[in-house]
This record gives sequence, C-alpha cells and structure tokens, in this order.
Amino acid sequence: GAVVSQHPSWVICKSGTSVKIECRSLDFQATTMFWYRQFPKQSLMLMATSNEGSKATYEQGVEKDKFLINHASLTLSTLTVTSAHPEDSSFYICSASSRVNEAFFGQGTRLTVV
Amino acid sequence: DAKTTQPTSMDCAEGRAANLPCNHSTISGNEYVYWYRQIHSQGPQYIIHGLKNNETNEMASLIITEDRKSSTLILPHATLRDTAVYYCIVRVGSNDYKLSFGAGTTVTVRA
Repeated sequence: GAVVSQHPSWVICKSGTSVKIECRSLDFQATTMFWYRQFPKQSLMLMATSNEGSKATYEQGVEKDKFLINHASLTLSTLTVTSAHPEDSSFYICSASSRVNEAFFGQGTRLTVV
Repeated sequence: DAKTTQPTSMDCAEGRAANLPCNHSTISGNEYVYWYRQIHSQGPQYIIHGLKNNETNEMASLIITEDRKSSTLILPHATLRDTAVYYCIVRVGSNDYKLSFGAGTTVTVRA
C-alpha cells in the first residue's frame, strides 16, 4: 500500500509554545488529507479535512485558530498546535487517499505538553 | 454514513481463525463496509472493504450477508501480531475519504 509519513513521531513541549506536525504522502499525490486526534483508551476523532490549496474544513468543536492546518502541496499537510496546553496532549494522526476506496494513515504523533 | 455495532472485545487462540462480527442494519445501497485495525500506538491500517460480494485478500476475508445488514471479518490464522483494535466502518465510496471511527473491537490473540 501507499506510504504516509508523519514527523515527528513524538514531541514534548512546554505549555504556551506551538508545535508543528508534518504529514507527507511519500509515493502518491493526495488532494485531501485528514487530521485525527485520539485520547487514551478512546477512538479516533476527526478534527479537520485538509484540501490542497484551500482552507481546511474543521469539525464542530475544533478551534481553527488553535489547530492551524496548511496543505501547501499535494504531498504535504501540516498541523500546528498553537499555544499548547496540557489538555492538548494527545495522539495526532493524519490520513491521505490516493484512490477512491482506500485511505492510508501515518504512524501518528504523540504530543505531550508539560 | 450508517452506524455500526461491534462487540467491545474478544479473545482468540493463536493459529485459529478469528471471526469479528459487525452489525450495520441501516446501511444504504451505495455504502461500502470497510475494516481497519489499529495496533497499539500506531496509525490505523487498512484491511479490506466490500460492497455486496464477499472479498478476500492477503490479510483477511470479508463476508457480507445477503441483506447487507451485517458482516464478518475473518482472520484465517491469527497470530500474536494481530492483537489490535479492529474498526468496522460504513461509508459511501467517494474521493472524499472521511472516516468516522466507532469504539471498535479489541482483539487479543493468546498463545
């Protein structure tokens, strides 16, 4: 299957700082990428849909000014958690689709805000 | 997208077949059944999908009932590495690949 890579795999940051997470489709072009968040012992929750060259679409309850998404190219989308606080500590996962019936996920990024 | 119901957890023996059920009684005619799994602290992994017919690939088989209201994912020879949370998702096939994840089934394969 296609490869989606996230970087970094884990990050620890101080409260009040910003953190950027990258999601790359390594061997295909993805016009749409999705960002999910997963808290311990819970399922994945969709945060936003990232479309190349346009503004992201956020799910209800997700603060767009806090979670900045940029999809500047067909192979790269970034999620920036601004002014991070401990409650933002979570597992962030992106996905991208190369064909109609399959989506591929990154390995996830574990964010810990201290 | 239609809602799915899965058992919370199940155990199976290594080397035996694991049969994972999923109910999707409100599925529409144009909705596909997808299965993903998530091994601890990793991103979800695509397993298989189907519309009406049974499907098989190198990882698993998908059996969909004739009325399409339920399906079963079969792992033919479970190994310890198959221990994961398995998600059954129903969605309309399109280029917009937005997935809604439920709680899934936690499968534990025991030696």
